[in-house]
Amino acid sequence: GENVEQHPSTLSVQEGDSAVIKCTYSDSASNYFPWYKQELGKRPQLIIDIRSNVGEKKDQRIAVTLNKTAKHFSLHITETQPEDSAVYFCAAKAGGGADGLTFGKGTHLIIQP
Amino acid sequence: DAGITQSPRYKITETGRQVTLMCHQTWSHSYMFWYRQDLGHGLRLIYYSAAADITDKGEVPDGYVVSRSKTENFPLTLESATRSQTSVYFCASGALGNEQFFGPGTRLTVL
Repeated sequence: GENVEQHPSTLSVQEGDSAVIKCTYSDSASNYFPWYKQELGKRPQLIIDIRSNVGEKKDQRIAVTLNKTAKHFSLHITETQPEDSAVYFCAAKAGGGADGLTFGKGTHLIIQP
Repeated sequence: DAGITQSPRYKITETGRQVTLMCHQTWSHSYMFWYRQDLGHGLRLIYYSAAADITDKGEVPDGYVVSRSKTENFPLTLESATRSQTSVYFCASGALGNEQFFGPGTRLTVL
């Protein structure tokens, strides 16, 4: 089955700086890669996703890049703000809508004032 | 987010008891999923369903049973709860576009 590795497990950055979280996956059939943000005691919230036919996607301060050859994808957050502090999860999925997501173990992003 | 709900939000039970966690969505999504979240393991898929009466096992299905008689409901039953099933359980739903949207979660403690 699919295996998703996520690094780092904790990331501390100064407010206003950029943050990068990296994930690798093992199944070359995976074609959908979402990122979720989870605040303490809350549900995971989908913040951005990318499909295998696209190399990069941006949404305001958030961007995701995908390298299919190397089987890795990354989340980039620019101009970080205190409200960006949360746990971020990457995930991967192969096939159509019926398959579940395989998640990385999460990155605790801390924004230092 | 109000489109997917879970109940109860908190549950304490004892080892050996049967427990059912409910999940209801109003989006008419075909696909529904159950995940458990544990420290150090992230989110792991328990069961999923492509449509009413169609269910399949995920990564960690042992000790759990699901059913889906109606598109909008996807209950998860722990037939005989064990301490290792203490966790936060999230239900999710999605349409054909792959996006999955999570419910608020149920925090289950098995004593």
